[in-house]
Amino acid sequence: AQKVTQAQTEISVVEKEDVTLDCVYETRDTTYYLFWYKQPPSGELVFLIRRNSFDEQNEISGRYSWNFQKSTSSFNFTITASQVVDSAVYFCALREGGGADGLTFGKGTHLIIQP
Amino acid sequence: GAGVSQSPSNKVTEKGKDVELRCDPISGHTALYWYRQSLGQGLEFLIYFQGNSAPDKSGLPSDRFSAERTGGSVSTLTIQRTQQEDSAVYLCASSLSAGTGVTRGEQFFGPGTRLTVL
Repeated sequence: AQKVTQAQTEISVVEKEDVTLDCVYETRDTTYYLFWYKQPPSGELVFLIRRNSFDEQNEISGRYSWNFQKSTSSFNFTITASQVVDSAVYFCALREGGGADGLTFGKGTHLIIQP
Repeated sequence: GAGVSQSPSNKVTEKGKDVELRCDPISGHTALYWYRQSLGQGLEFLIYFQGNSAPDKSGLPSDRFSAERTGGSVSTLTIQRTQQEDSAVYLCASSLSAGTGVTRGEQFFGPGTRLTVL
């Protein structure tokens, strides 16, 4: 069965610091999809990125970057020059290629950016 | 355009009562998903629909839970004889398609319904 582990329950950093959120996944499928979602205090889950298992290119979007490494089954998320507005709970999720389309979520990492 | 909408935003009910939660997906999205978020269990997948069909109902926690979708649009999640452990935020999401291949779309979530069972 698939599993997503976010070992960091809570991270607190001072504004402008860089921060990396870890995500480790388990799956037996060779085709799968990885996601990151942000849940701000308002509660609504906001989609950030999707990665396909056959595309290991890292991606950068503004201050956000993602490092996908199949060798270590990891899909880590880095925020550069963090801002207070980045404070939220961040979820990593997995969907297997051949199974039901529901996402398997990690427990989430609560990121606190202090001014 | 409008995002996924859910109603009610909050629902307080007494143990043993039935409740209905509604989800209106993004227009044109054929796939619709229900999740539950609780402190103890985190985010759990419950069920998904492709069109009006639900191919896999194994994620529903018990036979008190059921869901339907009509007209390929609005979906209703029904919980019968509610229990206190049903208290959670119920999230709905939609995507363009649940089909196979590289075009499987990302899921866009609604604001959720917070259910409290007294």
